[in-house]
Amino acid sequence: AAGVIQSPRHLIKEKRETATLKCYPIPRHDTVYWYQQGPGQDPQFLISFYEKMQSDKGSIPDRFSAQQFSDYHSELNMSSLELGDSALYFCASSSSASSYNSPLHFGNGTRLTVT
Amino acid sequence: GDSVTQMEGPVTLSEEAFLTINCTYTATGYPSLFWYVQYPGEGLQLLLKATKADDKGSNKGFEATYRKETTSFHLEKGSVQVSDSAVYFCALRRLYTGGFKTIFGAGTRLFVKA
Repeated sequence: AAGVIQSPRHLIKEKRETATLKCYPIPRHDTVYWYQQGPGQDPQFLISFYEKMQSDKGSIPDRFSAQQFSDYHSELNMSSLELGDSALYFCASSSSASSYNSPLHFGNGTRLTVT
Repeated sequence: GDSVTQMEGPVTLSEEAFLTINCTYTATGYPSLFWYVQYPGEGLQLLLKATKADDKGSNKGFEATYRKETTSFHLEKGSVQVSDSAVYFCALRRLYTGGFKTIFGAGTRLFVKA
């Protein structure tokens, strides 16, 4: 079965550069979530989209922005990168049709290293 | 606010030992409860879930029972294998004003020795 696809798998950037992470949800999933996971940490919720509209916002820095496109894929744009932004960034998707007990389906993440 | 508390790791066991990873939650209403597993270099994967009190979720030999009276969802496995070495996350999901949210515990790392 198709899973959540994230690209790139690894990304190395320098301080103050920008980065764009992409996420392709499972077909027919209309909700996308972005999480940041630091080393040894639990995933921290950044932002979510439902039907191309932002549905919830977590601890996402102002330097970051995201959007969901008409084909439901999502992009996380990160500017003025800082060393502390180095982390694993996960995208997850779910279907609103069964939201109460619907688990999140995670991609394998993008490992961002800021040097 | 809502929260999920897991026992701290790492947990180190020998193969075929019994596993318990404790998880308790704080939430208003009636959340759904989940266990996710994260293998090295991969994203989180759903391990099992339970959606109402006294439900038992099970998968791959793992079990957890939704205990509303103790607000707990402890993960158990009767005989662990080396391949079970991973990080385990307990999570709750419920409806908030802005929509459904999933809240994760801090994760418990399990090492299984041969």
